[in-house]
Amino acid sequence: DGGITQSPKYLFRKEGQNVTLSCEQNLNHDAMYWYRQDPGQGLRLIYYSQIVNDFQKGDIAEGYSVSREKKESFPLTVTSAQKNPTAFYLCASSISFGFYEQYFGPGTRLTVT
Amino acid sequence: SQQGEEDPQALSIQEGENATMNCSYKTSINNLQWYRQNSGRGLVHLILIRSNEREKHSGRLRVTLDTSKKSSSLLITASRAADTASYFCATEEAGSYQLTFGKGTKLSVIP
Repeated sequence: DGGITQSPKYLFRKEGQNVTLSCEQNLNHDAMYWYRQDPGQGLRLIYYSQIVNDFQKGDIAEGYSVSREKKESFPLTVTSAQKNPTAFYLCASSISFGFYEQYFGPGTRLTVT
Repeated sequence: SQQGEEDPQALSIQEGENATMNCSYKTSINNLQWYRQNSGRGLVHLILIRSNEREKHSGRLRVTLDTSKKSSSLLITASRAADTASYFCATEEAGSYQLTFGKGTKLSVIP
């Protein structure tokens, strides 16, 4: 089955700890994205990657970091510098950056207390 | 920045009725996309309509785009309880190629 997987589905962390969210795709897509969704809100772009070993900041990159060492993988680290990390995080991919629809993973709900 | 704005914020209809959701945006776009999200799940792509297209169909879905008014509408015909979800429009801005999502319309279809 082709698709995007995110793990874990639920994640709980104490304030001050860094946490890494996993995103893997087997669609052979070049572009990958991380979004944040807060209750009753739309999606906001955190980071995106057009190709392996390249990534760009989105609208709300502060307090987050990413890497893109493999085409299939685009992990997101939520650092202790992120002031309000509790949210629903969605990973997506597309054939290339721009002009194509995006395919989304099931999401990770992160709760920081 | 949030470009697409959906209207209404919430919509409740009876099964079998049609549902219409609207989206307005502010700047020039390459395309406009509609997505569906079931509660607590990821988004599912429904339709992509390019800036030079005016109407597109997919099954029970019909999307229109009016670039002069900077608006789009999504029509779901003969709605089913399984259509209950949030629907988001997303605009790909010309030049940046980033997708910008609205806050969504929450559709409830009552059996």
